[in-house]
Amino acid sequence: AQSVTQPDIHITVSEGASLELRCNYSYGATPYLFWYVQSPGQGLQLLLKYFSGDTLVQGIKGFEAEFKRSQSSFNLRKPSVHWSDAAEYFCAVGGTGRGNKLVFGAGTILRVKS
Amino acid sequence: DAGVIQSPRHEVTEMGQEVTLRCKPISGHDYLFWYRQTMMRGLELLIYFNNNVPIDDSGMPEDRFSAKMPNASFSTLKIQPSEPRDSAVYFCASRGAGVNEQYFGPGTRLTVT
Repeated sequence: AQSVTQPDIHITVSEGASLELRCNYSYGATPYLFWYVQSPGQGLQLLLKYFSGDTLVQGIKGFEAEFKRSQSSFNLRKPSVHWSDAAEYFCAVGGTGRGNKLVFGAGTILRVKS
Repeated sequence: DAGVIQSPRHEVTEMGQEVTLRCKPISGHDYLFWYRQTMMRGLELLIYFNNNVPIDDSGMPEDRFSAKMPNASFSTLKIQPSEPRDSAVYFCASRGAGVNEQYFGPGTRLTVT
């Protein structure tokens, strides 16, 4: 069965510091991987996605993620965090097939301190 | 494009009342998903539709929950009767054929007292 693990419930970083949010997935075939961000009181916004090809994918707001098949990971990174990046981040995995249901991780809450 | 539209944004109701949540997917999208988000259980898929037909409702918690999609531009999620444990944020999402990313609406925050 598909599953996603985000091992960090909360992360606090200083503004301007680098960020890495971890995501590990379990999936029986080549997965489709996504990162979404949710600001308080808002819906989920797609940051980036990986389907195939280059394992380093670029997203919006200066985020990138790297797919590592050998580690079943899809970690999200940003070189310099801004206060506006404070939000909750969700990793999700899906696959081929009718519907392409997504399975979401539990989320990581990012706090940015000035 | 206006994105996925949900209404109402907030709903407060008393236990036992009927609640109807509404969703308008992005035009041209033929998949529609209903999710529920709570602190305890995170983001759960309740049901999804393809071309207005329910495909998988295995996530619907109880018979008190029902969902319909009478046409390509409208879906409802109904809870009857509502209970306090139904309090959550309910999201609607849609996606087009041939793509895998889902686009989420702003959610409806439901409070059942």
